[in-house]
Amino acid sequence: QVQLVQSGAEVKKPGASVKVSCKASGYTFTSYGISWVRQAPGQGLEWMGWISAYNGNTNYAQKLQGRVTMTTDTSTSTAYMELRSLRSDDTAVYYCARDVSGSGYFDYWGQGTLVTVSS
Amino acid sequence: EIVLTQSPATLSLSPGERATLSCRASQSVSSYLAWYQQKPGQAPRLLIYDASNRATGIPARFSGSGSGTDFTLTISSLEPEDFAVYYCQQRSNWPRTVTFGPGTKVDIK
Repeated sequence: QVQLVQSGAEVKKPGASVKVSCKASGYTFTSYGISWVRQAPGQGLEWMGWISAYNGNTNYAQKLQGRVTMTTDTSTSTAYMELRSLRSDDTAVYYCARDVSGSGYFDYWGQGTLVTVSS
Repeated sequence: EIVLTQSPATLSLSPGERATLSCRASQSVSSYLAWYQQKPGQAPRLLIYDASNRATGIPARFSGSGSGTDFTLTISSLEPEDFAVYYCQQRSNWPRTVTFGPGTKVDIK
């Protein structure tokens, strides 16, 4: 069965960086893209960007351009999201999600990783 | 950027009742719209894609309609497990951008 398993919770200070991993199993990793979506406490969903696991092409949300980098390691079927220059409003649960055959809809999601930014 | 608005913000209904949720886009997204359900402490779950197609394993009581700027998610008869927050999502400019609506909470009356 398809599974996306994310790394554990992180606590970071303002200005630091965080790198969250998302290990995929149960499907051919390079046949699908991965998006990252975050959710601040008590708030809605915010799309952060997408990476093709086939060729590494990326698209990032405009507001995060320059602070976010998404990568994949096809040898371990793992996607990564790094966010730099963290601020308190980056505190959120970060999800990875598989897109349905390149459609821009997300059919499988990771369990979420809580990133807390606090001094 | 395309902005999605959802109404109402909260819908208070009883099990067995019909739920009608609305999503409006600031400009046409054609039929490139999805609906997700999210329960507390859980990741979202894809219900409907391309405005009216049920995702795999989604019960027939969930249906979607609309195109252009106005969309509706209907739950024909609420089951206890349907009380949750529902988000719409557009992907009309994929993969350049994706936006979600602010959500509608369906709670028990």
